[in-house]
Amino acid sequence: DAGVTQSPTHLIKTRGQQVTLRCSPKSGHDTVSWYQQALGQGPQFIFQYYEEEERQRGNFPDRFSGHQFPNYSSELNVNALLLGDSALYLCASSFQDRNYGYTFGSGTRLTVV
Amino acid sequence: AQRVTQPEKLLSVFKGAPVELKCNYSYSGSPELFWYVQYSRQRLQLLLRHISRESIKGFTADLNKGETSFHLKKPFAQEEDSAMYYCALRAAGNKLTFGGGTRVLVKP
Repeated sequence: DAGVTQSPTHLIKTRGQQVTLRCSPKSGHDTVSWYQQALGQGPQFIFQYYEEEERQRGNFPDRFSGHQFPNYSSELNVNALLLGDSALYLCASSFQDRNYGYTFGSGTRLTVV
Repeated sequence: AQRVTQPEKLLSVFKGAPVELKCNYSYSGSPELFWYVQYSRQRLQLLLRHISRESIKGFTADLNKGETSFHLKKPFAQEEDSAMYYCALRAAGNKLTFGGGTRVLVKP
């Protein structure tokens, strides 16, 4: 089992551009959460997807949007990129049953120039 | 709203010495607390959760609801314990709220 897979691993974009990050959850998991980790800080919750719907959202602007597909994989889209969006974006998968833990991916390092 | 605070950014200890990482939280309900660890060049992984009341790699953590704390302890630090440690809280729903992290450096 490959665990949680994220792509790409690194990405450089220009201010104002749009970016799409991808996540494949661990086998058997049906819930995907996205986190933003700025340098020197802990991960911050962006949103969570379950049954192809956004179930919870953190304090992020509407420029951040997502999608979950029938195979449980997920995408994170960020529009109108700002320099401050530069961060490590982590995907975590879990099973909706709260007794299950989270498995994190290695992340996508996004640099906005 | 929930908040997790890890007051120490860096803890430097000698091998064999005790280590304690502090974690304080604020949440009005009944929280579920976790410690996550990130070793160099590895992904974030669960170390332990308070409901399990288990010891992992010699680490233990006790939830103190009166002091709203969930400190992580190990009596004898090893060099392989050098890593970033994050305290996290799960409240309503399934989202995790993380602290800012503590870097532990165990010197030989």
